[in-house]
Amino acid sequence: ETGVTQSPTHLIKTRGQQVTLRCSSQSGHNTVSWYQQALGQGPQFIFQYYREEENGRGNFPPRFSGLQFPNYSSELNVNALELDDSALYLCASSSGRANTGELFFGEGSRLTVL
Amino acid sequence: GDSVTQMEGPVTLSEEAFLTINCTYTATGYPSLFWYVQYPGEGLQLLLKATKADDKGSNKGFEATYRKETTSFHLEKGSVQVSDSAVYFCALPNYGGSQGNLIFGKGTKLSVKP
Repeated sequence: ETGVTQSPTHLIKTRGQQVTLRCSSQSGHNTVSWYQQALGQGPQFIFQYYREEENGRGNFPPRFSGLQFPNYSSELNVNALELDDSALYLCASSSGRANTGELFFGEGSRLTVL
Repeated sequence: GDSVTQMEGPVTLSEEAFLTINCTYTATGYPSLFWYVQYPGEGLQLLLKATKADDKGSNKGFEATYRKETTSFHLEKGSVQVSDSAVYFCALPNYGGSQGNLIFGKGTKLSVKP
């Protein structure tokens, strides 16, 4: 069984640039969620995809967008990067639409915006 | 809305000391409750859960009991090891609104010294 994998693991961007983060869900999982974890804070929900459709969104501006592909992998795109976007971005997968609260997380992509 | 409050860290203990990390919650109904752990440089992983009142979740020597009277789910371990050094997050599922599938506390960093 393959776990959740994310890429890249680290990246540095400058303010105003755009970034794409990628996530492969755990085998058999069709739901992917993205979280932003600022330094010293708990993860904050960005959005969730279930079977290629957005299935919930947190309080993040529209410049945060995403996709889920037929193989259930996912992308998080952030446009017009700001300094406050510096954080660890976590992808989590789960199975089904029901919210059991059990998520399987990747190791994250650490984004630094200069 | 639903929320989780956990004790602020950091917590520094000597090896074999007793650990308690407090967590209280506010929720409609009786949700499942979770503790997730984040080891240095890694993503979050589920440590233990409890699905109903008076349930005790346990894993790797850690325990937490779901107390609906005090709306608490405190994490305990009788004898901590250096390898337990990590950040611990209390969480509950979000069944509505825009907070995603899990609502996390801010995390408590535990450092165990040999």
